[in-house]
Amino acid sequence: GENVEQHPSTLSVQEGDSAVIKCTYSDSASNYFPWYKQELGKRPQLIIDIRSNVGEKKDQRIAVTLNKTAKHFSLHITETQPEDSAVYFCAASKNSGGYQKVTFGTGTKLQVIP
Amino acid sequence: SQTIHQWPATLVQPVGSPLSLECTVEGTSNPNLYWYRQAAGRGLQLLFYSVGIGQISSEVPQNLSASRPQDRQFILSSKKLLLSDSGFYLCAWSGPVLGRYEQYFGPGTRLTVT
Repeated sequence: GENVEQHPSTLSVQEGDSAVIKCTYSDSASNYFPWYKQELGKRPQLIIDIRSNVGEKKDQRIAVTLNKTAKHFSLHITETQPEDSAVYFCAASKNSGGYQKVTFGTGTKLQVIP
Repeated sequence: SQTIHQWPATLVQPVGSPLSLECTVEGTSNPNLYWYRQAAGRGLQLLFYSVGIGQISSEVPQNLSASRPQDRQFILSSKKLLLSDSGFYLCAWSGPVLGRYEQYFGPGTRLTVT
């Protein structure tokens, strides 16, 4: 089955600096890669996603890159703000018998220091 | 727009007691539905998914079960809870439209088994 590894597990940055979270996946059939942000005690929220036919996608201060050959994808947050502090999960997804099977990484706790 | 509800929001149950968690989705038809569990400080584990009424697939063998009595209703149950069943239970939905892969989570139920 799919295996998604996520690094680092914790990340502290100064406000205004950039943060990068990296993930690798194992199943070449995975074709969709979402990123979720989870604040303490809340539900995971989809913040950005990328499909396997795209190499990069950007939405304001966040961007995601995908290297299909190396099976790597990354989340980049620029000009970090205290409200970016949360746990971020990457995931790899593929079609499996009529539904999208999603495998999540183990999460990165991001702390933005004011 | 689509909305997903879960109840109860929090639950404290003794070991050996039964469990019933409910999830409903509004604003869409024939969604794919999912139950995930998140242990404290951990990632997301897929428990069950459903592509239609009465169609349930289990990802992990356990003492939990799921049912989908109506198109937009998904229920998670147990006859006898274990201490290890404690966690944050999240229901999620994704659209039935081919090519739409996004999963959206409900607000979750925090279960403590004592």
